[in-house]
Amino acid sequence: EAGVVQSPRYKIIEKKQPVAFWCNPISGHNTLYWYRQNLGQGPELLIRYENEEAVDDSQLPKDRFSAERLKGVDSTLKIQPAELGDSAVYLCASSLEPQIRGYGYTFGSGTRLTVV
Amino acid sequence: AQKITQTQPGMFVQEKEAVTLDCTYDTSDPSYGLFWYKQPSSGEMIFLIYQGSYDQQNATEGRYSLNFQKARKSANLVISASQLGDSAMYFCAMREASKGGSEKLVFGKGTKLTVNP
Repeated sequence: EAGVVQSPRYKIIEKKQPVAFWCNPISGHNTLYWYRQNLGQGPELLIRYENEEAVDDSQLPKDRFSAERLKGVDSTLKIQPAELGDSAVYLCASSLEPQIRGYGYTFGSGTRLTVV
Repeated sequence: AQKITQTQPGMFVQEKEAVTLDCTYDTSDPSYGLFWYKQPSSGEMIFLIYQGSYDQQNATEGRYSLNFQKARKSANLVISASQLGDSAMYFCAMREASKGGSEKLVFGKGTKLTVNP
């Protein structure tokens, strides 16, 4: 079974430019998460989807960040325009509810964004 | 206030020895779940072990065990017989309720473990 696939793995952009990240969750996983991990920190939730509905986007900076999950499968996270402080690793995860003893969450390898 | 506290920014251990990574948590919810993840330099988060708040016994998964002390709100990870491949960042996380009746993981800042040969 393929894991959570993210692309690109690395991205370097100049500030004020737009950038997009893509995530393909595990087949059949109804819940999808985007986390941001700053250097030396643990991941923090940006947005959570249940199927195609964003059920928690309270931590998403909506002035510059947007996300979508078409047809409840793949998801795209966009930043426009990017700022220097957006440099981080963006992790996508998916899960199947109900979980069995924590095995439900599966993370992708992340996209490392550097804004210069 | 921090929900998950990992007080050890870095830990060193000799190969084949055991090591304990500390984690304390803060919640008023009687039902919660605690996780430990390993993050190697390649970046992916690898699930190691899970402890439910109502579990009667400490969780174990191979060389990993969780020392769960509910009254002290601590959930320390014990790695026995350390291997060079165990060198990585380790994150403690707690599942908690979030907006819309859904749940999310809240992570600590992590501990960098280095296994010396």
